[in-house]
Amino acid sequence: AQSVAQPEDQVNVAEGNPLTVKCTYSVSGNPYLFWYVQYPNRGLQFLLKYITGDNLVKGSYGFEAEFNKSQTSFHLKKPSALVSDSALYFCAVTRGSSGNTPLVFGKGTRLSVIA
Amino acid sequence: GAVVSQHPSRVICKSGTSVKIECRSLDFQATTMFWYRQFPKKSLMLMATSNEGSKATYEQGVEKDKFLINHASLTLSTLTVTSAHPEDSSFYICSAWRASGNTIYFGEGSWLTVV
Repeated sequence: AQSVAQPEDQVNVAEGNPLTVKCTYSVSGNPYLFWYVQYPNRGLQFLLKYITGDNLVKGSYGFEAEFNKSQTSFHLKKPSALVSDSALYFCAVTRGSSGNTPLVFGKGTRLSVIA
Repeated sequence: GAVVSQHPSRVICKSGTSVKIECRSLDFQATTMFWYRQFPKKSLMLMATSNEGSKATYEQGVEKDKFLINHASLTLSTLTVTSAHPEDSSFYICSAWRASGNTIYFGEGSWLTVV
């Protein structure tokens, strides 16, 4: 079964420092991987996805993620964190081998950027 | 702007009554929509996959007679919580698959409180 794991419940980083939110995946076949962000009492906003192609994926708000097949990882990164980046981040993988299947989410990582 | 709209954003209902939540794709047709439930500070739990023109596919453990899903058009799916109980109180989020771009977009979520 497709799954993702986010090993950190909480990540704290100082404003202006680089940030990394970790995600590892377990899939059969080629993975469709996503990152979403959730602000308090809101729905999820799409940040970026990896389907195929370049391993480095650039997304919204300056975020990027690197697909690493050998390490089965898809970590989310940003070179310089902003206080406004503080939110709950979810890594997800499609349950099937196409985009038209449900997403399976990690447990989420709360990012706190401190001024 | 939002590409998936949910309504209402918040609703309070009395125990034993039914409440309907709407999910609309605003600028694309969605043959497939997904309904999730999120408990406070928890990840998203897939409830069902809603397919336009056919019956929804429910996840194991989700009562299909309690959580009625209707996907009557290519832009609208509805979730009706029937005979609501306080334990049904939760944050319900829908998502829709957009074929062009092969991306899943989420609504802003609906807070249901059953009193």
